[in-house]
Amino acid sequence: GQNIDQPTEMTATEGAIVQINCTYQTSGFNGLFWYQQHAGEAPTFLSYNVLDGLEEKGRFSSFLSRSKGYSYLLLKELQMKDSASYLCAVRDGGGYQKVTFGIGTKLQVIP
Amino acid sequence: DGGITQSPKYLFRKEGQNVTLSCEQNLNHDAMYWYRQDPGQGLRLIYYSQIVNDFQKGDIAEGYSVSREKKESFPLTVTSAQKNPTAFYLCASSIIAGTGPNTEAFFGQGTRLTVV
Repeated sequence: GQNIDQPTEMTATEGAIVQINCTYQTSGFNGLFWYQQHAGEAPTFLSYNVLDGLEEKGRFSSFLSRSKGYSYLLLKELQMKDSASYLCAVRDGGGYQKVTFGIGTKLQVIP
Repeated sequence: DGGITQSPKYLFRKEGQNVTLSCEQNLNHDAMYWYRQDPGQGLRLIYYSQIVNDFQKGDIAEGYSVSREKKESFPLTVTSAQKNPTAFYLCASSIIAGTGPNTEAFFGQGTRLTVV
């Protein structure tokens, strides 16, 4: 099975940088996803990591260390619209490639 | 436009009634999923399917049933056996791949079910 941990809430200032951490324990691993979810809406895809290292996509970057079971999402130049929940999700290595989500980190961006 | 559609957006039912939530996708995805989201909790997997006429129980399948008669459709029935059915239900789909990119899940807009 999967066990995914991430902080429940974070607060950061507009224009700053924030790092949201995610740790996981899995019986198999076949990729890690980050999604953004605004309140009452569907999650939208942000990033995907399957190999160790950093993936950069504009203001968003995601890092993975498979040996440590660790990932982080880095948000730069924070904007008020970045206030949302950020979900870490892990896909297992089994035949059915089940995806398990963490509880999500609610980020509040303040002026 | 390709996408995944859930209907209705809001649904009210009386306690003890079964209710079916619709999920349709025209993305030609093989895999489809149903998640439940409660306040303060993450997405919890109810059922998933990777091929027509086959599906697997997720972590909280009790009180739910699904069917996958067509590739495009994966309806979820919330039965009277589900003790706490009031929740936000999300359907998703994805391609099936090894470890490549573009394998993320695409989500519908969700159905908020309230049982009174």
